[in-house]
Parts: sequence; C-alpha cells; structure tokens
Amino acid sequence: GENVEQHPSTLSVQEGDSAVIKCTYSDSASNYFPWYKQELGKRPQLIIDIRSNVGEKKDQRIAVTLNKTAKHFSLHITETQPEDSAVYFCAAAVEPRNNNDMRFGAGTRLTVKP
Amino acid sequence: EADIYQTPRYLVIGTGKKITLECSQTMGHDKMYWYQQDPGMELHLIHYSYGVNSTEKGDLSSESTVSRIRTEHFPLTLESARPSHTSQYLCASTSRGTQYFGPGTRLLVL
Repeated sequence: GENVEQHPSTLSVQEGDSAVIKCTYSDSASNYFPWYKQELGKRPQLIIDIRSNVGEKKDQRIAVTLNKTAKHFSLHITETQPEDSAVYFCAAAVEPRNNNDMRFGAGTRLTVKP
Repeated sequence: EADIYQTPRYLVIGTGKKITLECSQTMGHDKMYWYQQDPGMELHLIHYSYGVNSTEKGDLSSESTVSRIRTEHFPLTLESARPSHTSQYLCASTSRGTQYFGPGTRLLVL
C-alpha cells in the first residue's frame, strides 16, 4: 500500500519569509496529491491539490510542485503571514479510488512569527 | 447548505459506556470515512465505506463499529468506552478525490 512521509514535522518562519514542506510517496500509481490546512481547533480543509498530469500548480501565495520520477511533492508558501500558522497535511491517492488508497502524511506544524 | 455534520461536538463519558457518534453529509457522496486524531497530530483512519451496506476497517484498531444504512448517514459506535478512546473523531466524505471533513467530535472518557 501507499506510504507518505512528510518533513519537517515543525517549521518556524518569520513573517514575510517563504515556507516549504516536502512529502514523498511510495506507490507509483498515485496520481492525486492534495494539501490540507488545519487551523487550531478546526477541521482540515483542502487548500490546493495537483494531479499527476502537471508538474506545478499555483494559487496566489501557495504553490505545489510534483516530481513523479522521484515520487515527491512539495508545498510552497510565499510571503507568509501569521494566519498561515496551522498544521499542514499532504496526501497521496489513486483516483478514481477503488479502495482506500489515500494516505496522509503525519503533518507539519507551521508557525509564522510576526 | 451542502456540508458534513457531526454530533455531538463534545462528549464527556464514563468508562464502559456505549456511545454513538453521528455523521451526516448532504453532498450525496458515496464514500465516507472516520478518522481519529489527537489535536494537531496525525490522522488515523479507523473505518470507511464506499456506499450503502459497505463498511471496511482502516489502519487503526479502535474497537469501534460503523454502519451505512443510508448514503448520507455514517455513525460510529463504541460499545464500551475506555480512557484510551479519548481523542477527536473526524468524519469525512469524498468527491472526485477531494476529501471534505466534518467539524469533529471531541471525546473525553473518564
């Protein structure tokens, strides 16, 4: 089955700096890679996703890159703001899913210091 | 409004009690999931369902059971609650890969 590893487990940056979170996956069949943000006391929410037919996707200050050959993908947040502080989870899945092939990383706690 | 709902949001209960955590979604999704998560920590899949009358165990043995009699409803039952069950329980449903999470139930077993 799929195994997703996420690094670092904690990340602290100054406001305005960039933050990068990296994930690796093991199943070459995985073709869908979402990122979730979970603020303190709230539910995880999808912030961006990428499918295996593209190498990069950007949405304002966040971007995700995918390297299928190396089986890793990364979340990039530029011009970080205190409201970016949260736990971020990556995931990998085979879509369409015929069984439970979505696996989450262990999470990265990002702290943005004002 | 199409969403995923969980009740109760908070529950304090004594050891040995039987409890049912409710989850309902109004999005018409076939696939639903239950996760156990200590606050801000890793998500552990405990049960999932592909549709009515389909239930599967996940990676974490939580000594719980689920049922899926209706598409929109996926309750989780703990037959005998223990302090080790203290955690947050998140329900989720999926459409075209995107996983939508409910607000969670925070459970404290004394």
